[in-house]
Amino acid sequence: KAGVTQTPRYLIKTRGQQVTLSCSPISGHRSVSWYQQTPGQGLQFLFEYFSETQRNKGNFPGRFSGRQFSNSRSEMNVSTLELGDSALYLCASSRWTNQETQYFGPGTRLLVL
Amino acid sequence: DQQVKQNSPSLSVQEGRISILNCDYTNSMFDYFLWYKKYPAEGPTFLISISSIKDKNEDGRFTVFLNKSAKHLSLHIVPSQPGDSAVYFCAASADGNKLVFGAGTILRVKS
Repeated sequence: KAGVTQTPRYLIKTRGQQVTLSCSPISGHRSVSWYQQTPGQGLQFLFEYFSETQRNKGNFPGRFSGRQFSNSRSEMNVSTLELGDSALYLCASSRWTNQETQYFGPGTRLLVL
Repeated sequence: DQQVKQNSPSLSVQEGRISILNCDYTNSMFDYFLWYKKYPAEGPTFLISISSIKDKNEDGRFTVFLNKSAKHLSLHIVPSQPGDSAVYFCAASADGNKLVFGAGTILRVKS
């Protein structure tokens, strides 16, 4: 069974730009969660999607948004990038809820200059 | 407000010895706890979990202990192996809600 895939793996952007990250969950998984990982902060929960609906949301500004498609694939968008948005963005999928065991993708490393 | 805290940023252990990773939480509503392991350039992988109705769960070399009164969680690895060197995250959730992760502890197992 193929794992969670994320594209692109690395990305360099400048302040003020916007970026879209993509995540393909494990086949049959309907819950997709996004996390931001920065040194010393661990994994900060961004949001969770299930059946194309945002089911949970973390404490991030509105510049961070996402969506989920009918095939459970998900995208995350960050607008008006700031230097502090530089981080590893991880996507995780699970069958029904994000309380179950989540399977993580390798992440997208975003560098904002 | 960090609801899940891993107060030790790093831990160094000799191969064959026990590794003990600790995690404290503040939210008494948390009822499900997990440990994840992360190697560089890879996403975290699930290691072991425990629900609040238990105080211990064992899987091979890995054992998780839960002390609800102290709001404390620990992961024991016995015996530790060099391949266990990684970042370990503890996570918790309440009533099927989102997972809250700690900041992680870097474990180095020396051979």
